[in-house]
Amino acid sequence: NAGVTQTPKFQVLKTGQSMTLQCAQDMNHNSMYWYRQDPGMGLRLIYYSASEGTTDKGEVPNGYNVSRLNKREFSLRLESAAPSQTSVYFCASRKKGGLNTEAFFGQGTRLTVV
Amino acid sequence: DAKTTQPNSMESNEEEPVHLPCNHSTISGTDYIHWYRQLPSQGPEYVIHGLTSNVNNRMASLAIAEDRKSSTLILHRATLRDAAVYYCILRDWRSNDYKLSFGAGTTVTVRA
Repeated sequence: NAGVTQTPKFQVLKTGQSMTLQCAQDMNHNSMYWYRQDPGMGLRLIYYSASEGTTDKGEVPNGYNVSRLNKREFSLRLESAAPSQTSVYFCASRKKGGLNTEAFFGQGTRLTVV
Repeated sequence: DAKTTQPNSMESNEEEPVHLPCNHSTISGTDYIHWYRQLPSQGPEYVIHGLTSNVNNRMASLAIAEDRKSSTLILHRATLRDAAVYYCILRDWRSNDYKLSFGAGTTVTVRA
């Protein structure tokens, strides 16, 4: 049982390049999330998908797009990377339903934009 | 969103209990108290959550003040593996977005 898998684990981009961060979960969870964590800071929600076919903006959506490809996969795209997007990106999933089910996080993608 | 206040850091000796405080004086009646922790170079992991009553699980205990304006996460016997950043988070159970607002958390150091 792999849980939440993120690829790649590390990436270096040049300013203006684009890339897609991949996330897949094998727990049959309905909801998926993308967070970013800047050095020494807490996590901030970028986008989330409450269920397959829906996506919504979080706290810091500018510069990102997402796709909920199917129930398992939720990708995050940077169309034109900027140095300010240097961060660690975490994907999470959660079983919908129940008042407060826990979220499961991936290991993170460490992105550097130069 | 109601905010939480935690100490920046705490130290403990191995095998001793750790009490991590969290203040949330503006908590609303529909806010659950969640605790997550983040081990070095890893994603956060769920620890425990509660609403009004004290809660126990295999990882920790959560003690919630009667007025709910504060809570304490208790690690009963710290191990080196418990060295992590611990986040106290409030989440309105009515919300669908699971917008966990992670602050800076408390960095726990465990001495061997």
